[in-house]
Amino acid sequence: EDQVTQSPEALRLQEGESSSLNCSYTVSGLRGLFWYRQDPGKGPEFLFTLYSAGEEKEKERLKATLTKKESFLHITAPKPEDSATYLCALKDTGRRALTFGSGTRLQVQP
Amino acid sequence: EAGVAQSPRYKIIEKRQSVAFWCNPISGHATLYWYQQILGQGPKLLIQFQNNGVVDDSQLPKDRFSAERLKGVDSTLKIQPAKLEDSAVYLCASSPPWATDEQYFGPGTRLTVT
Repeated sequence: EDQVTQSPEALRLQEGESSSLNCSYTVSGLRGLFWYRQDPGKGPEFLFTLYSAGEEKEKERLKATLTKKESFLHITAPKPEDSATYLCALKDTGRRALTFGSGTRLQVQP
Repeated sequence: EAGVAQSPRYKIIEKRQSVAFWCNPISGHATLYWYQQILGQGPKLLIQFQNNGVVDDSQLPKDRFSAERLKGVDSTLKIQPAKLEDSAVYLCASSPPWATDEQYFGPGTRLTVT
């Protein structure tokens, strides 16, 4: 059974304090690893898709990386507007739907 | 481009009552998903449609939940009768045929069962 575990559950940073969020996973065959951002009262917003170990993608202050067992979302010099819940999800080769982790609640204080 | 539309945004019902949620996906998106997100958890797939056919409903509690997408466009998810544990946000998402790995989510319907 596919499994996604995210850590930490919650993270509080000062503005400008860089950090990383972890997503560890088990899957029979990985089709893709996805990162989403979710603001309170809203649906998840797509950020990145990673398909193979070693792949990296960047968007503004965010960079996502992938190994065979885990993915990291690196946040460089975060701003208060980066505060949100970040969700990791995977899609295996036998299924089209996403399996989500429980998310990391990030709070960036000015 | 308009996003995924859902209504109502909020619903409060008593247990054993019935409720229905509506979703209109992004125009041209053939794949439509319904997810359940319980507070503090990630979304869990309930059902996936490709056009008007069901692709995956393995996690749908079929004794009380039903969903349809009759014309391959908008969709309705129904719960009858509701239980306390159905309190959650119900999210609809859609994917375009040219990028099936990308899912675009609506704002969700927050259901409270008392």
